[in-house]
Amino acid sequence: QKEVEQDPGPLSVPEGAIVSLNCTYSNSAFQYFMWYRQYSRKGPELLMYTYSSGNKEDGRFTAQVDKSSKYISLFIRDSQPSDSATYLCAMSAGNYGQNFVFGPGTRLSVLP
Amino acid sequence: DAGITQSPRHKVTETGTPVTLRCHQTENHRYMYWYRQDPGHGLRLIHYSYGVKDTDKGEVSDGYSVSRSKTEDFLLTLESATSSQTSVYFCAIRPSGESTDTQYFGPGTRLTVL
Repeated sequence: QKEVEQDPGPLSVPEGAIVSLNCTYSNSAFQYFMWYRQYSRKGPELLMYTYSSGNKEDGRFTAQVDKSSKYISLFIRDSQPSDSATYLCAMSAGNYGQNFVFGPGTRLSVLP
Repeated sequence: DAGITQSPRHKVTETGTPVTLRCHQTENHRYMYWYRQDPGHGLRLIHYSYGVKDTDKGEVSDGYSVSRSKTEDFLLTLESATSSQTSVYFCAIRPSGESTDTQYFGPGTRLTVL
């Protein structure tokens, strides 16, 4: 079993849809949870960051962490064509990034 | 963009030749990382540095070496490139002084080994 599992997609949705992206993990030591957005041929860009369990909202984006289920989600409301990208989940137990683990990414296309 | 640049941005080389990739940062961050990104594998840590001359191996370090003689520069060297090292290489930094554990990435270097 991989340490972090993420459905690679591709996921295609119409403009304006609510998008749900998810990752599951196996290491209960993870405390920091991130979502990165990566446009084609670009570097990953930090989108959302959450510590421990709970929700965090930033504009159209909401990140949720359920540590009891080892499950994290990213919701995108009112999706736009500019949201078309690959979304990577990442998590860490701390320790200054030595144990930073990434999911393989979900490719999202938002169709106008 | 966290002040990170990578050079070269693209490189094509032949099997057996040495290759050095450079990561440069302008904000004095202590922690720097080299990753490779391949389809189906996501980002995997090659080496990281926690200060000048202080480096350690990551998950996929075989065939790679690193050096950090100045805070702002972190070099990744492929001593004798192989086709399996064809990949996109990203440098990252962990912001200094933050209690969080996040990383910020450079634009990447696309390396092709023929």
